[in-house]
Amino acid sequence: EPEVTQTPSHQVTQMGQEVILRCVPISNHLYFYWYRQILGQKVEFLVSFYNNEISEKSEIFDDQFSVERPDGSNFTLKIRSTKLEDSAMYFCASRGTAGQPQHFGDGTRLSIL
Amino acid sequence: GNSVTQMEGPVTLSEEAFLTINCTYTATGYPSLFWYVQYPGEGLQLLLKATKADDKGSNKGFEATYRKETTSFHLEKGSVQVSDSAVYFCALSGYPSRDDKIIFGKGTRLHILP
Repeated sequence: EPEVTQTPSHQVTQMGQEVILRCVPISNHLYFYWYRQILGQKVEFLVSFYNNEISEKSEIFDDQFSVERPDGSNFTLKIRSTKLEDSAMYFCASRGTAGQPQHFGDGTRLSIL
Repeated sequence: GNSVTQMEGPVTLSEEAFLTINCTYTATGYPSLFWYVQYPGEGLQLLLKATKADDKGSNKGFEATYRKETTSFHLEKGSVQVSDSAVYFCALSGYPSRDDKIIFGKGTRLHILP
């Protein structure tokens, strides 16, 4: 069964540094998402992306965050200047056309030191 | 806004016991409802879904019925196994409308003892 793949599985970064989290959605999917889960808390929506633009973003997704689909296969989340509170598990998801649910990757654990 | 409330964990049961994890929601319109499962060290997997009132989602012996009158979507399984130990998330979204972001509950950790 096709899968959403995320790399790396664990990223350790110094506070203030830029980080890019990478996702390869399922190949024929058109809608892409990022969520995050701070340790011990619930999974929270960050942003949705369709047709090369952001469809919706949450309050968490401030100017430090950006997303990009640089080619036909990758979907990236960039955090420009990381803060300690950005430490979390970040999940990418994708879905196909109407009638299809979102499929999630295994996540990238981001640790900010 | 839309929200999901599910029972606090952890829930500890013996193998072959009956499982219920309660979930209620608050939403405008007609959301779709989901249960996701997260096994240790893994990502989120869709366990089952229901897209309209009175629908019953089922998978791997788990089932949940979309109850609009009580705004609930309780997860049940008749006989749990050790391999069911995981964190279970109740969730909703406006899917299949354009507002399809998923709103998750806090998760319920389930431990099954052999």
